[in-house]
Amino acid sequence: GAGVSQTPSNKVTEKGKYVELRCDPISGHTALYWYRQSLGQGPEFLIYFQGTGAADDSGLPNDRFFAVRPEGSVSTLKIQRTERGDSAVYLCASSPFQGHEQYFGPGTRLTVT
Amino acid sequence: SQKIEQNSEALNIQEGKTATLTCNYTNYSPAYLQWYRQDPGRGPVFLLLIRENEKEKRKERLKVTFDTTLKQSLFHITASQPADSATYLCALDKGTGGFKTIFGAGTRLFVKA
Repeated sequence: GAGVSQTPSNKVTEKGKYVELRCDPISGHTALYWYRQSLGQGPEFLIYFQGTGAADDSGLPNDRFFAVRPEGSVSTLKIQRTERGDSAVYLCASSPFQGHEQYFGPGTRLTVT
Repeated sequence: SQKIEQNSEALNIQEGKTATLTCNYTNYSPAYLQWYRQDPGRGPVFLLLIRENEKEKRKERLKVTFDTTLKQSLFHITASQPADSATYLCALDKGTGGFKTIFGAGTRLFVKA
């Protein structure tokens, strides 16, 4: 079956602009995670959804970052007033339940110029 | 402070040998620990999950151990092949009811033919 998909694969934006990154999880997976990864580092946790609700958003760096999952499937990560330090690969993962293996998408490479 | 550490230096081994990667953590009490493989430009791929009440788990040429007293996991690849060359990431849950998944920075493995 289809895996986790993320769009766009690459996004270049200017400092100060707003961006939205989309994640389509595996059908039926209730758990959804967002991470960001910088070169040479492991994925850094941002937020976890169980169904439609954000069960843990402790990894969001500040209030410029926000994520939604209104119908418990597709999720959108929203970044306002982007800064150059936001440049990274943003990864999405889904899982049948929390505490099980995670299936990652290919990521969105965000570059803020 | 809470830390998860993996060998920061790359591991170079000869084809056919066993590769052993280490993951150490401090100040966490994870309920489970996972290992992922990541190739350049791609999202991590799940390999194995081991729970706190399990000492060892195997899957084909892969073996993982989990010592909650030493706060360490070892990941072994037996009869290694050049196709095993990748970055291997250790990940654990925050424990104590949290939903956060914490990743190490990963260890790069190079298997020479």
